[in-house]
Amino acid sequence: KQEVTQIPAALSVPEGENLVLNCSFTDSAIYNLQWFRQDPGKGLTSLLLIQSSQREQTSGRLNASLDKSSGRSTLYIAASQPGDSATYLCAVPSGGSNYKLTFGKGTLLTVNP
Amino acid sequence: DADVTQTPRNRITKTGKRIMLECSQTKGHDRMYWYRQDPGLGLRLIYYSFDVKDINKGEISDGYSVSRQAQAKFSLSLESAIPNQTALYFCATSDPSQGYEQYFGPGTRLTVT
Repeated sequence: KQEVTQIPAALSVPEGENLVLNCSFTDSAIYNLQWFRQDPGKGLTSLLLIQSSQREQTSGRLNASLDKSSGRSTLYIAASQPGDSATYLCAVPSGGSNYKLTFGKGTLLTVNP
Repeated sequence: DADVTQTPRNRITKTGKRIMLECSQTKGHDRMYWYRQDPGLGLRLIYYSFDVKDINKGEISDGYSVSRQAQAKFSLSLESAIPNQTALYFCATSDPSQGYEQYFGPGTRLTVT
């Protein structure tokens, strides 16, 4: 059974700092990996999707990497801003599928002005 | 307008009542999903549908049923609500043309008293 772990569970940083969020998964036979952002009481916003054949994806100040063999992904946020404060979730399809997402419990990020 | 919408956004109901949550999408995606989110447990898949005639149980389908009325509409029903179904419910869509990236609605907060 696929298990997804996110470390740390919570992170507080001063504005402007670069930071890394970690995601690990137990079954490396994944189709893709997706990073989401969730604001309190709101829905999930897809940030980045990395296909299994890719090593990384970038969107603005965000860069996500994928190392399938070691079962790890990182989300790098450059020059953090208070508006980046949210919970960040990673998810991978399980059971060799491309649709049954297994989610980590998330990292709660607080960026202090 | 949002691509994936859910109604109602908030609902309080009593134990034993039947309740329906509705999801509509304008993305033209064939695949639709229902998840629930609980504090400490993360998101879990309830049901998923690949098209109007293809509906499948997810990880935690007991106590729930679904209806795919059209490509764009997917409803989740609780036949007889119980307090441990209190949670945040999300609808999502995906499509092969977009690498199976999943897009989420804003969620429905359901409270069963």
